[in-house]
Amino acid sequence: RKEVEQDPGPFNVPEGATVAFNCTYSNSASQSFFWYRQDCRKEPKLLMSVYSSGNEDGRFTAQLNRASQYISLLIRDSKLSDSATYLCVVNMNNDMRFGAGTRLTVKP
Amino acid sequence: DAGITQSPRHKVTETGTPVTLRCHQTENHRYMYWYRQDPGHGLRLIHYSYGVKDTDKGEVSDGYSVSRSKTEDFLLTLESATSSQTSVYFCAISEGLAGGLEQFFGPGTRLTVL
Repeated sequence: RKEVEQDPGPFNVPEGATVAFNCTYSNSASQSFFWYRQDCRKEPKLLMSVYSSGNEDGRFTAQLNRASQYISLLIRDSKLSDSATYLCVVNMNNDMRFGAGTRLTVKP
Repeated sequence: DAGITQSPRHKVTETGTPVTLRCHQTENHRYMYWYRQDPGHGLRLIHYSYGVKDTDKGEVSDGYSVSRSKTEDFLLTLESATSSQTSVYFCAISEGLAGGLEQFFGPGTRLTVL
């Protein structure tokens, strides 16, 4: 079992749709969690950190469920510019472990 | 954008040749990392550095070595390249150790080993 697992997608959604991604992790002692965004043939960039109580940044909402060992990312009112690959990142003992990513395509 | 550059950006080489990739930062961050990214895998840590001349192995360090003689430069060397080392290599930096702190990534180096 991979340490961090994501549905690879692709998710193809129309503009304005709401889409959600999940990510599961294997190490129950994991300490911190992040979502990164990676555009095609570009470097990953931090989208948002994920806090225990859940957090929101504009159209993006991140949730953490420690009991079930998963994190989620919800994107509301999808824009064409949201098309990218979303990487789930889990910090395990100061060692960052990356999921393989979920690819999202938002279509007009 | 964080000041991180990588060179070369693209390289094609032959099996058995040595290859050195360079990462240069202008942020004066203490921590620097080398990752590789392959289809179906997340980014995997090769080596990291926590200061000048201070380095440690990551998850996939076999076949790679690193050096950091200055704060701003972190070199990744493939002593004898193999086809399995064909990948996209990303350098990253952070102010502190990974926990809770954002890592900033360079633009990547696409390496092909024939």
